Amino acid sequence: DVKVTQSSRYLVKRTGEKVFLECVQDMDHENMFWYRQDPGLGLRLIYFSYDVKMKEKGDIPEGYSVSREKKERFSLILESASTNQTSMYLCASQPGGDYGYTFGSGTRLTVV
Amino acid sequence: GNSVTQMEGPVTLSEEAFLTINCTYTATGYPSLFWYVQYPGEGLQLLLKATKADDKGSNKGFEATYRKETTSFHLEKGSVQVSDSAVYFCALLNTGGFKTIFGAGTRLFVKA
Repeated sequence: DVKVTQSSRYLVKRTGEKVFLECVQDMDHENMFWYRQDPGLGLRLIYFSYDVKMKEKGDIPEGYSVSREKKERFSLILESASTNQTSMYLCASQPGGDYGYTFGSGTRLTVV
Repeated sequence: GNSVTQMEGPVTLSEEAFLTINCTYTATGYPSLFWYVQYPGEGLQLLLKATKADDKGSNKGFEATYRKETTSFHLEKGSVQVSDSAVYFCALLNTGGFKTIFGAGTRLFVKA
């Protein structure tokens, strides 16, 4: 079964820490995405990548960066975690064209 | 710009009732349309899709028809089960685009 795997289901970090969220897909998909999901705000796109080493800002990139050194792995980096980054983070991949996304199970991050 | 509007929830139904969740869209061009489902504590899963006008997507008893004249993609199921309780997201992806636009989500509760 094809998969998008996020490294942690739950994570608790302290304010100011550098946080890495990892996402790996085994489907050879070109495109990968990071969203955050908050009650009442829906899904908001943080960053996406359409090729290795290529990245584009989404709707809310401030406070985040990403890395895609290999096709299968897309990392989200919180440079200095803040409490307003407490959220559910969802990674997704897509082969391109008009295909739907395959999502990971999500990482619930709490910043204290 | 592109946008998706879906009915506000929660929607509460008894088991075996008929389900409709309304979704309308605004798009430049000819988008592909999707329904995703999110079960508690999980990421989103692709439920069904349609890529052109009058196409019907179907999966697990759910159906939606791409109506260009009314710019709609309403989700229907003839007889819901308790296990259908989840949040449902309508979404569009414009031709040649990378970013999927998601609706706000509609929570469905099904009572036994």
